[in-house]
Amino acid sequence: GQNIDQPTEMTATEGAIVQINCTYQTSGFNGLFWYQQHAGEAPTFLSYNVLDGLEEKGRFSSFLSRSKGYSYLLLKELQMKDSASYLCAVRDGDYQLIWGAGTKLIIKP
Amino acid sequence: TAGITQAPTSQILAAGRSMTLRCTQDMRHNAMYWYRQDLGLGLRLIHYSNTAGTTGKGEVPDGYSVSRANTDDFPLTLASAVPSQTSVYFCASSVRGGNNEQFFGPGTRLTVL
Repeated sequence: GQNIDQPTEMTATEGAIVQINCTYQTSGFNGLFWYQQHAGEAPTFLSYNVLDGLEEKGRFSSFLSRSKGYSYLLLKELQMKDSASYLCAVRDGDYQLIWGAGTKLIIKP
Repeated sequence: TAGITQAPTSQILAAGRSMTLRCTQDMRHNAMYWYRQDLGLGLRLIHYSNTAGTTGKGEVPDGYSVSRANTDDFPLTLASAVPSQTSVYFCASSVRGGNNEQFFGPGTRLTVL
């Protein structure tokens, strides 16, 4: 079956680094997305990985290992505004995405 | 640029009533999607449309219908609402090609009593 697993909730300190993991089991693979969703708002795109390795974009980086069915999102120099849910999604076909339940990240001063 | 708009922002609906959630995008994206988001379950695909004139069923299509008469609009209809359809509904769109990043509307919060 199709399955994407993420931790439900994580807590980190302002200024620190946090890694949010995502493991997936899907019938196909055409890329993995990370989205950020603040409470009461729509998800917004953060990153996309289709090949193995690390993609860096400012304070955020995303890593993919296709052989292990594993990805992580790394957030550096955490700021209070990074408090949000982070959603992992896999595209297993042409357009449609399979979504994880999301990881709620709480940042403490 | 508006991007994707949804209407209404929120609605309380009596069980058994029908309702259409509206979604319009001005980005000329080929593909559009309707999701529902419930606490602890993440986003679940209800229906999708890869291009104008075509639609398909997602993971949880029962009780919902869609149409795609043109590129910009993708309305979602609940023919006879039930309390289990209480949820936040998001419309999204993506362009064909590239990474097909999906852009989301602001959502509609629906409560069925």
